[in-house]
Amino acid sequence: ETGVTQSPTHLIKTRGQQVTLRCSSQSGHNTVSWYQQALGQGPQFIFQYYREEENGRGNFPPRFSGLQFPNYSSELNVNALELDDSALYLCASSLSTAFQDGYTFGSGTRLTVV
Amino acid sequence: QKEVEQDPGPLSVPEGAIVSLNCTYSNSAFQYFMWYRQYSRKGPELLMYTYSSGNKEDGRFTAQVDKSSKYISLFIRDSQPSDSATYLCAPVDMGRRALTFGSGTRLQVQP
Repeated sequence: ETGVTQSPTHLIKTRGQQVTLRCSSQSGHNTVSWYQQALGQGPQFIFQYYREEENGRGNFPPRFSGLQFPNYSSELNVNALELDDSALYLCASSLSTAFQDGYTFGSGTRLTVV
Repeated sequence: QKEVEQDPGPLSVPEGAIVSLNCTYSNSAFQYFMWYRQYSRKGPELLMYTYSSGNKEDGRFTAQVDKSSKYISLFIRDSQPSDSATYLCAPVDMGRRALTFGSGTRLQVQP
């Protein structure tokens, strides 16, 4: 399978709830990163996973957590949702952690917290 | 102050024009400089990247980095309506293994 797919495409949650977003990477891509993109802003780095271990993290609180699975899928979990968590969440995968290989982004999950 | 600053636009040009898109950054540790293009309702796609200072050309696109002034540019020659999108510069933070995106410049190429 080619490309990066994310599900769901849209989601509405209530403040205080928990949410799980899913990503299916390209076959063979052992590195996955998650980004948060607020409206009108560039994506902000949340964290990166390499071979199922977190190996880099941005300035996001611990209520943002992730998992990467051996089948090239991954999850982003957010607990205790806040209104400011409303954004487009992007998953990006790569053959390795080397940036020269290029990161392939999915189309994202748009999360709205009300 | 943001690590990467980019004029949000919108920038509107006629078809065939030369477009100049720019970013400034503050982190001297950045070594790789990426340019991504993002169409509406899509994820960013990599256009090209440069390493350290200098120029790199790929078809109608030229990326330029001046590390002494911390200035990044992307030039688009013979712009086409299909180039209408948001362009994001993204220097690489090797320590955090992260792309540090600017806020993006929205480009509109009028037919």
